[in-house]
Amino acid sequence: GQQLNQSPQSMFIQEGEDVSMNCTSSSIFNTWLWYKQDPGEGPVLLIALYKAGELTSNGRLTAQFGITRKDSFLNISASIPSDVGIYFCAGSPSGGYQKVTFGTGTKLQVIP
Amino acid sequence: GAGVSQSPSNKVTEKGKDVELRCDPISGHTALYWYRQSLGQGLEFLIYFQGNSAPDKSGLPSDRFSAERTGGSVSTLTIQRTQQEDSAVYLCASRWGTEAFFGQGTRLTVV
Repeated sequence: GQQLNQSPQSMFIQEGEDVSMNCTSSSIFNTWLWYKQDPGEGPVLLIALYKAGELTSNGRLTAQFGITRKDSFLNISASIPSDVGIYFCAGSPSGGYQKVTFGTGTKLQVIP
Repeated sequence: GAGVSQSPSNKVTEKGKDVELRCDPISGHTALYWYRQSLGQGLEFLIYFQGNSAPDKSGLPSDRFSAERTGGSVSTLTIQRTQQEDSAVYLCASRWGTEAFFGQGTRLTVV
């Protein structure tokens, strides 16, 4: 079955630093999603990508849909303490009738 | 309702007992997922329901785990003869279109 490898598994950064994490798939996806999970909460969608090569920003967050459709990355600029949490990528072959596969997560800690 | 609702939010049970976890998805969402998450870890896929299709049960860790979805809406995840290693947060998500919406999870502790 499809697998999503997400890296790094965890990271500690200083407040104000930029962060980059990525996700690779063993097969092609036509939709990439990035979620954030705050402690004690369910994951919440940050960014959705629908087209190969697409670059989308949401505030300090930027995500890209890889050209090969097998990878995606998420960047966070000028990190702040509330960026702490677990970030998950997710992919789907297409729209709502195809199963979404989640990555293994990147745990982010921000040191004030 | 406005979002995915899970109940109970916390459940403590004795080893060997059966538990039922409930998920009320967003109305109209045809897809429903169950995941398990150990403390601070990733999402472990358990089961996926899509409309009236046969569910994808490929993630269920043992035959002690089962789930059903009645009328294409509410889902119940049942764990029989609970073991200590079943302790985790169980997350439900529903989806129609691109985005999957998660509930806040049920934290299960087996003592």
